[in-house]
Formats: sequence, structure tokens, C-alpha cells
Amino acid sequence: AQTVTQSQPEMSVQEAETVTLSCTYDTSESDYYLFWYKQPPSRQMILVIRQEAYKQQNATENRFSVNFQKAAKSFSLKISDSQLGDAAMYFCAYRSLWAGGFKTIFGAGTRLFVKA
Amino acid sequence: DAGVIQSPRHEVTEMGQEVTLRCKPISGHNSLFWYRQTMMRGLELLIYFNNNVPIDDSGMPEDRFSAKMPNASFSTLKIQPSEPRDSAVYFCASTYEQLNTEAFFGQGTRLTVV
Repeated sequence: AQTVTQSQPEMSVQEAETVTLSCTYDTSESDYYLFWYKQPPSRQMILVIRQEAYKQQNATENRFSVNFQKAAKSFSLKISDSQLGDAAMYFCAYRSLWAGGFKTIFGAGTRLFVKA
Repeated sequence: DAGVIQSPRHEVTEMGQEVTLRCKPISGHNSLFWYRQTMMRGLELLIYFNNNVPIDDSGMPEDRFSAKMPNASFSTLKIQPSEPRDSAVYFCASTYEQLNTEAFFGQGTRLTVV
């Protein structure tokens, strides 16, 4: 069974600085998707960025980028130029691609605080 | 598109009562997921459906929980009888497997069992 581990329950960053959130996962599959979701106090789950396992190039979305290390099964999220609105819970997620189902498994989350 | 719609947004009930949570997935999506979020256990996948058929219900905590998807536009998660430890936020999410990569989430239902 696949597992997703986020070892940092909380992180803090100064506004305008850069922070990296860690995520590791375990799987025996070769094809899958990885995601980072943001959950602000409104509790809405918002997709931040996605990575296809077959792509070696790291995904980037504006101030958000990932460092995908497939062999190490690591998928960290870097937030550049942090803004107050980035304060939220961040969840790393793994989506299986096996035939018959496409369930998504989430890590425990990292709460990010942004200091003004 | 209105997105995934869940009702109610908040539910407070007494222990022992039956609770029914409702979900309307995004039109055209063929997979639907129910998740439970608590401080202690994070986001847990309870069950997911593909083309209205339950594919994996291994995350359903016990027989008090049941989920149905009678058609492509509606699903329910029922707890009977409810217990205080069922208090959590319950999310419904949907996706179209042949096209989308990620799941789209509803706003969640905050359930409090007193």
C-alpha cells in the first residue's frame, strides 16, 4: 500500500522569504501523480501544483515549485517570495494510476505560518 | 460550473442519531471520493466510487458507516448510529479519470456529535 509522509507538522517563514515543505512517499508503482494541496482556514482544498511521475522536469506554478526526486521518493514544495495569504495547511498527495481505480492518498499536512 | 456541492455545511447531532451527508459531484465526473479529516488522523479516504460502483471501501471505519451512489449526480454518506468520535469534517471530491489528474473537493461538512 502506498503511504505519504510529511515530517514537518509546522513551518514558519518570514514574508518575502522562501520556504520548503518536505514530503516523502512509498510506492512500488512506476506511474503516478503527486500533488500539493493548500487548505486555508476556509477549509477549501485548493490544488497548488501537480507532478507526473514520468516527467523528469520539476513542475512550476508562479511562486510555487517542486523538487521531485523519483529514486528517493521525495517531493518537496518550495514557496518563493512568501505572502501572508500563503498561510495555510499544505497537504502532499499521491494518486495511484492502477487500472480499476484512481484513489488519492494524503499526508498528515504541514501548517505554514507567514510572519509579517 | 458550481463545483462539488456538499450539504449540509454544518451538522450538529446527538449521539445515537442517524446522520446523512450529501454530495453532488461535478457534472460529467465519473469518480467520487469521500474523505474524513480530523486533527488526529488527517485526511482519510473512506470510500471511492467509479461509474457509481464502489471500488474500494476499505477506509470505512465500521459498519455504522455506509455510502451510496444511486446515480452519477448524487452520493450519500450515512452514519447510524452516530458517536462523538465521528465528529470531523467530511469531504466529498470528484474527478474524471480519463481526463483529469486531480480530484476536485467540495467545501466539506463539519459534523459534531454531542
